[in-house]
Amino acid sequence: QQQVKQSPQSLIVQKGGISIINCAYENTAFDYFPWYQQFPGKGPALLIAIRPDVSEKKEGRFTISFNKSAKQFSLHIMDSQPGDSATYFCAATTTPILSGNTPLVFGKGTRLSVIA
Amino acid sequence: EPEVTQTPSHQVTQMGQEVILRCVPISNHLYFYWYRQILGQKVEFLVSFYNNEISEKSEIFDDQFSVERPDGSNFTLKIRSTKLEDSAMYFCASSRSGAYSNQPQHFGDGTRLSIL
Repeated sequence: QQQVKQSPQSLIVQKGGISIINCAYENTAFDYFPWYQQFPGKGPALLIAIRPDVSEKKEGRFTISFNKSAKQFSLHIMDSQPGDSATYFCAATTTPILSGNTPLVFGKGTRLSVIA
Repeated sequence: EPEVTQTPSHQVTQMGQEVILRCVPISNHLYFYWYRQILGQKVEFLVSFYNNEISEKSEIFDDQFSVERPDGSNFTLKIRSTKLEDSAMYFCASSRSGAYSNQPQHFGDGTRLSIL
């Protein structure tokens, strides 16, 4: 129940196309869903995050769509560029009750390659 | 922009030896974490640390692991008697304190631990 399932494992997209990565979760206590971007040799870097009170969040070319009833969320990268080629991880966690920190549960990652 | 720094970038150790991985979190952050990523697999939570004690730990974080904040800036992960299956990339992360909210976790670039 703690798992976050991510697909596809790898994705090849033409430059200018839309990249779509999907994630699903089981634990209904999860209420914070960040996406991380990881370049080779680097640590994961927070890209964008969403809470279940909204169905969509957009930041530049990156959009998260969230379907609470289906317990699914997805990352859309519009106008994909070669510089977007990286591994993308979805994650989920709960909001701390008081101040605090809650561990991130990561998906297995999607290796995106954007080709010219 | 402040960042989490980890040393060394690569550590090679004989099985059964002790190893210490070091991290310098972002200076005004109060919560610290260790995650690991076995090659080709997802990022997994090991432990979180706040106010000089462990906040939460996963089932991976058994008695061979320990964490410490030996001074005001460093945060360390010690593996007492390394095993072949400890070979992985270890990421340190830190975040601010936020009541009833999730503060972004900022990751370092990792230490690649190779056990021979």
